[in-house]
Parts: sequence; C-alpha cells; structure tokens
Amino acid sequence: GESVGLHLPTLSVQEGDNSIINCAYSNSASDYFIWYKQESGKGPQFIIDIRSNMDKRQGQRVTVLLNKTVKHLSLQIAATQPGDSAVYFCAENSGGSNYKLTFGKGTLLTVNP
Amino acid sequence: ETGVTQTPRHLVMGMTNKKSLKCEQHLGHNAMYWYKQSAKKPLELMFVYSLEERVENNSVPSRFSPECPNSSHLFLHLHTLQPEDSALYLCASSQTSGRAQREQYFGPGTRLTVT
Repeated sequence: GESVGLHLPTLSVQEGDNSIINCAYSNSASDYFIWYKQESGKGPQFIIDIRSNMDKRQGQRVTVLLNKTVKHLSLQIAATQPGDSAVYFCAENSGGSNYKLTFGKGTLLTVNP
Repeated sequence: ETGVTQTPRHLVMGMTNKKSLKCEQHLGHNAMYWYKQSAKKPLELMFVYSLEERVENNSVPSRFSPECPNSSHLFLHLHTLQPEDSALYLCASSQTSGRAQREQYFGPGTRLTVT
C-alpha cells in the first residue's frame, strides 16, 4: 500500500555538525511534502514544505531535497544545535484531497553538546 | 506555541467516565482535524471538519464523538473508553481554499490516560 516512512528511527549528532534526516514515500501521486518537528511534550511544528515541481527548498538553517525519481525526501539541518533535538516527521499529500496528510513514524534527533 | 490551543493538557479518566477535549484555533482557518498519536506509530487521522461539516471519519469507534460548532472550535467527546485509547490527542487546523497552502498547524495535544 501507499506509505511514507523513514530510513532511520534515531540519529545522534554532535553540536555544530550538519544533520540529514531521510524519508521515503511510495505514492507516486504525492505532490506536496512537509517536514514537522515535535519536541517533547509539544505538538508537531511546521518546519518547511516543498512541492513536487521543485527539487530543493531552503529555509533558515534547513534545506529540503526532493528526489522524485527514487521517491526520496530529506531534511538537512545546518550547524545543529541542542534546541534541534526532537522527533522529525515527514508528511505527504497526494493532491487528491487538501485534507489528508500521511505521516511517517518519525526520526528522533539527539544533539550532543 | 502555535495559534491552536487545546484543553485540558492532561486527562485521566476511568472507562465509565464521559469527558470532552476542546480545541480552538486563532488562525482564521476553515478546516480542523483530530489526530491520535500513540507511541511508535505514525499520526493517525481521526476526523476532519471543513467549513464546520465533517468530511472525514477515519473508521473511528463510536466512543469518540466529534463536534464542530463553528470554524474556530472543535470538540472530541469521549465515553466508555478503553485503556488502549490512552494516547496523545492532537488538534490541527489548516486553510483549504485553493491549493496554495496545505500545511496543518497543530496544538500542543491532550495526554489522555484511560484507567
């Protein structure tokens, strides 16, 4: 079936390093993708999105890359900080409905000082 | 914090109790959502309301009953829950007119424990 998943459930990095969190999707009709960050005790927080007509989008210290050929999405965080420690989810929307987002399980990012 | 608030933040209830979760969005959005978040599982969509009409009911047991009195408020009424219903219940909102925006904004959630 269609699914959105993550390659690695946990990622541990040193403060100041760059982090890369990966996500695979299988719905070829997906045309919109979002990355969320969820800190302990909080709801998911929107980080960045990308549409399928793009392959790269940059925000503040974050970059999302989309490879439609292999159905792969990644989130790159530059100069990772302790405050970046959280669970990161990717989500996809197929465009058939503006309502439905399909979420991955999440990757726990731990930043070591 | 986001423009979506939820109360209570924590709730412990017995299986015979009746309680309600409340969500309010201050973003002017026209769609609201209830999600269930359990440990080690992806977010599960429960209900979607668009323009105060329910447009999605994702095979949720009838012991969960949503209510959307207006575009800013969403409730989840709970009765005769089971221990496996213990989870974080998240409310979200979005603006669905046109295709320009589809991101959903989440509240902090209600941590529900059923004893």
